[in-house]
Amino acid sequence: DAGVTQSPTHLIKTRGQQVTLRCSPISGHKSVSWYQQVLGQGPQFIFQYYEKEERGRGNFPDRFSARQFPNYSSELNVNALLLGDSALYLCASSLSPLALQETQYFGPGTRLLVL
Amino acid sequence: TQLLEQSPQFLSIQEGENLTVYCNSSSVFSSLQWYRQEPGEGPVLLVTVVTGGEVKKLKRLTFQFGDARKDSSLHITAAQPGDTGLYLCAGVPGNQGGKLIFGQGTELSVKP
Repeated sequence: DAGVTQSPTHLIKTRGQQVTLRCSPISGHKSVSWYQQVLGQGPQFIFQYYEKEERGRGNFPDRFSARQFPNYSSELNVNALLLGDSALYLCASSLSPLALQETQYFGPGTRLLVL
Repeated sequence: TQLLEQSPQFLSIQEGENLTVYCNSSSVFSSLQWYRQEPGEGPVLLVTVVTGGEVKKLKRLTFQFGDARKDSSLHITAAQPGDTGLYLCAGVPGNQGGKLIFGQGTELSVKP
């Protein structure tokens, strides 16, 4: 069975540009979460979507936005890129966020470098 | 803001030694998960603990959830070079299912 897939694997952008990252969850999973992992730190929660609705948002500026499609795949958009946005962006999928012991499965991430 | 303090941040040991990684918070978590992450890859789930005082074993790895569900530990017995990697603890705060709060990670290096 395919795990969580993310594209692209690597991306180089310049300051001020916009970027779109994509994620396909495990088949049957309806929830997708996005995390940002800066080098040397643990992942930080950005968004969670479930059944195409935003269920949670972390402490990130409005330059960050996301959406979930009817097939449960998701896109993360970042506008007006800053140098500090350089990070590994991780997508995680789960069956449902409603169960507290819900297991999240992570994709390999998209490495974004902003120059 | 709920935080998870993970220690130590870096650990370099010889093959065969034992080690313990700690994950502490002043907040209560409904469950706590441990992940291992290899360079260039996403975190891979090792275990989830949900009950205060719970102990789970995975081969040479022992995980414990504190009685008050505010802290956790990971103990590795007789470490091997294949255990090298970044170990992350992550908690589900309160009743906010789906949002994981991560510690800053422990970079483990096991030398042969």
